[in-house]
Amino acid sequence: DTGVSQDPRHKITKRGQNVTFRCDPISEHNRLYWYRQTLGQGPEFLTYFQNEAQLEKSRLLSDRFSAERPKGSFSTLEIQRTEQGDSAMYLCASSLGGPVSTDTQYFGPGTRLTVL
Amino acid sequence: AQSVTQLDSQVPVFEEAPVELRCNYSSSVSVYLFWYVQYPNQGLQLLLKYLSGSTLVESINGFEAEFNKSQTSFHLRKPSVHISDTAEYFCAVTDRDYGQNFVFGPGTRLSVLP
Repeated sequence: DTGVSQDPRHKITKRGQNVTFRCDPISEHNRLYWYRQTLGQGPEFLTYFQNEAQLEKSRLLSDRFSAERPKGSFSTLEIQRTEQGDSAMYLCASSLGGPVSTDTQYFGPGTRLTVL
Repeated sequence: AQSVTQLDSQVPVFEEAPVELRCNYSSSVSVYLFWYVQYPNQGLQLLLKYLSGSTLVESINGFEAEFNKSQTSFHLRKPSVHISDTAEYFCAVTDRDYGQNFVFGPGTRLSVLP
């Protein structure tokens, strides 16, 4: 399967711990997006990369959150000093390129984070 | 800034019945509109999108949506649903000129009953 993959699928952690999630996009895709989805809500945009450059960050992305895409391939999302409010599904998506607003995004299965 | 409203959080319907999932958006600029579907235990998949041209767009599995600018709506319809259509459906909007920030609605859970 050559779709977007995310690891781990589930993560349970204690408040105050750091967690890191990984996303592997579809291999030829230049853009990579991170979203957060809480229960009963649609995905909320967090940040997006064009190759290795992080081009936009939502105000939802506090200083405790950092994302990287060092070689323009996989990406990591780290949350430091986790809080219970960080509990959510973290979604990754990738897209091929072209005009951003019409570029079809392909989503991974998500990483479900539970902060105790 | 854009926003999306999906008034129906859950829609139960019997197999082979028609269905309409409502989506209304708010924006001060021109937008593109999308419907995504999330089947159980799977990632979101693009169902259909409106970019320009004909206001009626169709998907390969029988869904259609019509862009209505005056009513700021993009309702999703299917004349006859199948059990396999059971999923969560998300409407999304993006700014035509500055579009990487997709804004999603809260979703509608469609349950098709036998």
